[in-house]
Amino acid sequence: VTLLEQNPRWRLVPRGQAVNLRCILKNSQYPWMSWYQQDLQKQLQWLFTLRSPGDKEVKSLPGADYLATRVTDTELRLQVANMSQGRTLYCTCSASPGTVSNERLFFGHGTKLSVL
Amino acid sequence: QQQVRQSPQSLTVWEGETAILNCSYEDSTFNYFPWYQQFPGEGPALLISIRSVSDKKEDGRFTIFFNKREKKLSLHITDSQPGDSATYFCAASDTNAYKVIFGKGTHLHVLP
Repeated sequence: VTLLEQNPRWRLVPRGQAVNLRCILKNSQYPWMSWYQQDLQKQLQWLFTLRSPGDKEVKSLPGADYLATRVTDTELRLQVANMSQGRTLYCTCSASPGTVSNERLFFGHGTKLSVL
Repeated sequence: QQQVRQSPQSLTVWEGETAILNCSYEDSTFNYFPWYQQFPGEGPALLISIRSVSDKKEDGRFTIFFNKREKKLSLHITDSQPGDSATYFCAASDTNAYKVIFGKGTHLHVLP
């Protein structure tokens, strides 16, 4: 059984448009949920870790702007905006159990975003 | 600034050989070092991990050797199998922070 559900696997993003991604956790015993960005060279970069429903954070990185929201105990969302033209990246969510947020990470399959 | 470095970038071994993947880090506050395995089209999966109080961790064919003084660690995969062909990420974190710092990965090819 997959712990984390991310759909779709691939999204084409028209230039200038934002895209909204969802990550659904199948087991609420994993309180810490995070978003990671992975580029075509496979470099994984931590973006956010959110614990409680209602938590929100924003971040701007070279090539994209991000807004993450912990909607419920089992749903994490990510809005990606202002992606650079021609850019491709993967957004992958993770979950971790227990009291430590950055250990024993379980990752979803990820969503590939490609800007037209 | 790349805080976690991995080498080599790519490694090819024959089936049955031992693959050695290297990793080094800079931040002395890091105290937890997981290795993740990633197959194409999948998310990374935790393979094995070690804490800085230990110098060795073994799990089946996978062993981590850790040198705190030199800030280096290595993953040894004995009796390598073609099914081990994947990208392996070394990562580091400390328990007081959310983020996990990943290396750029080593792409392992195991030839039958």
